[in-house]
Amino acid sequence: AQSVTQLGSHVSVSEGALVLLRCNYSSSVPPYLFWYVQYPNQGLQLLLKYTTGATLVKGINGFEAEFKKSETSFHLTKPSAHMSDAAEYFCAVSDRTGNQFYFGTGTSLTVIP
Amino acid sequence: EPEVTQTPSHQVTQMGQEVILRCVPISNHLYFYWYRQILGQKVEFLVSFYNNEISEKSEIFDDQFSVERPDGSNFTLKIRSTKLEDSAMYFCASRLGMAAFFGQGTRLTVV
Repeated sequence: AQSVTQLGSHVSVSEGALVLLRCNYSSSVPPYLFWYVQYPNQGLQLLLKYTTGATLVKGINGFEAEFKKSETSFHLTKPSAHMSDAAEYFCAVSDRTGNQFYFGTGTSLTVIP
Repeated sequence: EPEVTQTPSHQVTQMGQEVILRCVPISNHLYFYWYRQILGQKVEFLVSFYNNEISEKSEIFDDQFSVERPDGSNFTLKIRSTKLEDSAMYFCASRLGMAAFFGQGTRLTVV
């Protein structure tokens, strides 16, 4: 079975500062990993995904994440936060059947001007 | 850009009533899902659907819930007799490859 842990339900950063949102997973098989963003009163938008190949993946809006198998982590980063990045971020994992996506509890990102 | 669309965006219903939430997945996608998010809580899996049958369902998806793909484009979630605790945001998703694409959600309020 798969599960996802997101450390830090709330993260605040200053505009222009590094964004680091943490995600650790547990999976009995090599997983597929995803980050989704949810803006207020909106749906879940795919930021980026890791399936196979290069472990550093780039997504939309300048975000990237690195799959580290030894640490069972898939942390999301962005070098310089922008006010528009304020949102809820969800890490998700699925097995290779894709029958189910397991979501973390989410991290609310606040960007301070 | 293709997207998953859900209707209605908001639905208010009385406890005990039946509701149908509608979704139009991305047209060439083969796998379909319903998730829900109770206010302030995590996104929870309800059901996945492939080849006109349920692939997997969670404990939440009991006999009060059903899904249907009545035609080539719609994917519906029916709740037969709504309870107060069914109040949540319901998300439909579809996928072709490994990433699921989600709709904007239907906010269901049971009163």
